[in-house]
Amino acid sequence: AQKITQTQPGMFVQEKEAVTLDCTYDTSDQSYGLFWYKQPSSGEMIFLIYQGSYDEQNATEGRYSLNFQKARKSANLVISASQLGDSAMYFCAMIRSQAGTALIFGKGTTLSVSS
Amino acid sequence: DTGVSQNPRHKITKRGQNVTFRCDPISEHNRLYWYRQTLGQGPEFLTYFQNEAQLEKSRLLSDRFSAERPKGSFSTLEIQRTEQGDSAMYLCASSLYGGSVNTEAFFGQGTRLTVV
Repeated sequence: AQKITQTQPGMFVQEKEAVTLDCTYDTSDQSYGLFWYKQPSSGEMIFLIYQGSYDEQNATEGRYSLNFQKARKSANLVISASQLGDSAMYFCAMIRSQAGTALIFGKGTTLSVSS
Repeated sequence: DTGVSQNPRHKITKRGQNVTFRCDPISEHNRLYWYRQTLGQGPEFLTYFQNEAQLEKSRLLSDRFSAERPKGSFSTLEIQRTEQGDSAMYLCASSLYGGSVNTEAFFGQGTRLTVV
């Protein structure tokens, strides 16, 4: 069965610093996708970044990058130059390639950015 | 199309009543998901549709819960005989699945259910 583990309930960082949010996953599939979503206090889920299991390069989207280590089954999110607006819950999620599967989420990490 | 739309945004109901939520996905999206999220937790998968077919249901989806997507467009989630434990945010998401895992799911703003 698939499982996503986020071991950091909360992280604190100062503005302009970089922060890494951890995510490990468990799957026996060879083909899968990994996602990170941001959920501000307003409640909407905002897609940040995607990594496919066969992608050789780590995904990047602006200040977000995904540190993908396939052998370790980890997909950590790195936020460079944190901003106050980055304060939110962050969720790691996974989908299998086969039809008949859904997006499964971890329990999330609360990021607090201070000035 | 401005995204995934959920109605109502908030619902307060008495224990034992039935409630129904609606989700309008992004029009060209063939997959539609329902999730439940309680405070401080990640979204828990309930069920999803590909077009009008319900392809997967979580064991969290008790027999009091039913979901439909009759024409492969909007979907409804009904909870019968609500219990206080049903209080949560119910999230709907949609995506365009074309055989690849690179299918970003877009979420609605959710329906917050409070059972009193």
